[in-house]
Amino acid sequence: GEDVEQSLFLSVREGDSSVINCTYTDSSSTYLYWYKQEPGAGLQLLTYIFSNMDMKQDQRLTVLLNKKDKHLSLRIADTQTGDSAIYFCAESGANNLFFGTGTRLTVIP
Amino acid sequence: NAGVTQTPKFQVLKTGQSMTLQCAQDMNHNSMYWYRQDPGMGLRLIYYSASEGTTDKGEVPNGYNVSRLNKREFSLRLESAAPSQTSVYFCASSEFESYEQYFGPGTRLTVT
Repeated sequence: GEDVEQSLFLSVREGDSSVINCTYTDSSSTYLYWYKQEPGAGLQLLTYIFSNMDMKQDQRLTVLLNKKDKHLSLRIADTQTGDSAIYFCAESGANNLFFGTGTRLTVIP
Repeated sequence: NAGVTQTPKFQVLKTGQSMTLQCAQDMNHNSMYWYRQDPGMGLRLIYYSASEGTTDKGEVPNGYNVSRLNKREFSLRLESAAPSQTSVYFCASSEFESYEQYFGPGTRLTVT
């Protein structure tokens, strides 16, 4: 199946920018997604990018897509303590989404 | 709109017991999914239902069965629970396959 990889942990100081990276394998994916999971909760869709786009901005969130390298990143500007969570990237397959292992973001006050 | 609901929130089973996890969505979505989440392994797809009346195996279907009862409801059954099935189970739905998925709050299952 598809292989979506993320680093497991990231720590940043409050007010700094966070960059969470993801690599994927299926070059035919139509959409790529970022989900956020807060403790004890399900996954919430944060944002997505269509595969023919290079960048998408949504308030403090910027998604960058490098299709050649199959690399996706999520930048969170002015990171707040409420951004502490696990972030999953996902790529669309024929029948389903394929999720990475998740990156646990810790924001240090 | 409640979105995706799951019951129960928590469950403890003894090895060999059976149980059914319930999931319902009120978004008129066609596709529904069951995942399990284990530390360091992300989400793994157990079964999915592309549309009412169909079900298909995912990455880790062994030890589970599913029923797509109607368009709204998709249940997951453990016939004979094993400690390896201790996990957090998430149900999700999407308008169509490979579209963005909406998740329920999860069921934390412990098998002793």
